[in-house]
Amino acid sequence: RKEVEQDPGPFNVPEGATVAFNCTYSNSASQSFFWYRQDCRKEPKLLMSVYSSGNEDGRFTAQLNRASQYISLLIRDSKLSDSATYLCVVNMDAGNMLTFGGGTRLMVKP
Amino acid sequence: DAGVTQSPTHLIKTRGQQVTLRCSPKSGHDTVSWYQQALGQGPQFIFQYYEEEERQRGNFPDRFSGHQFPNYSSELNVNALLLGDSALYLCASSLRGVETQYFGPGTRLLVL
Repeated sequence: RKEVEQDPGPFNVPEGATVAFNCTYSNSASQSFFWYRQDCRKEPKLLMSVYSSGNEDGRFTAQLNRASQYISLLIRDSKLSDSATYLCVVNMDAGNMLTFGGGTRLMVKP
Repeated sequence: DAGVTQSPTHLIKTRGQQVTLRCSPKSGHDTVSWYQQALGQGPQFIFQYYEEEERQRGNFPDRFSGHQFPNYSSELNVNALLLGDSALYLCASSLRGVETQYFGPGTRLLVL
């Protein structure tokens, strides 16, 4: 079993749609959680950290469920520019070694 | 404020050769981590350097080695290259004790 698992997609959605991505992680002692965005042939960029209380940044909402070892990302009112691969990232210890999921590809179409 | 920089951007090598990749961290950062990203996969942690020492290591063979210099810049060395080493090599910098890591544009290595 992979340490961080994501549905690879692709998720094909029309502009304006709401789309949700899920991610599960295997290590119950994991410390912190992130969503990164990666455009084609570019480096990953931090989208948002994920807190136990949930957090929102504009059209993006992230949730963490420690009991189920599950992280989610919700994107509302999708834009063409949201098309990218979304990487679920877990810091499994205090040493700052990030473990990445395989990524979920999102394609937003006109 | 310069972000994370890496060189070269692209590199082609043949099996058995050795390669050195370079990374300069974001201004004010003191910790450098290296990741390997194969096509269609998420990045995999190779190792992390802080205070010129390797602090953590992922599941990579000894052919992968590194170094950090007093100015916090870092090198990744790979010996005896294999076809399977073809990947995007990403450097990420951070400040010790702060979890957020910032990635450089990567070096795309092709081994023929």
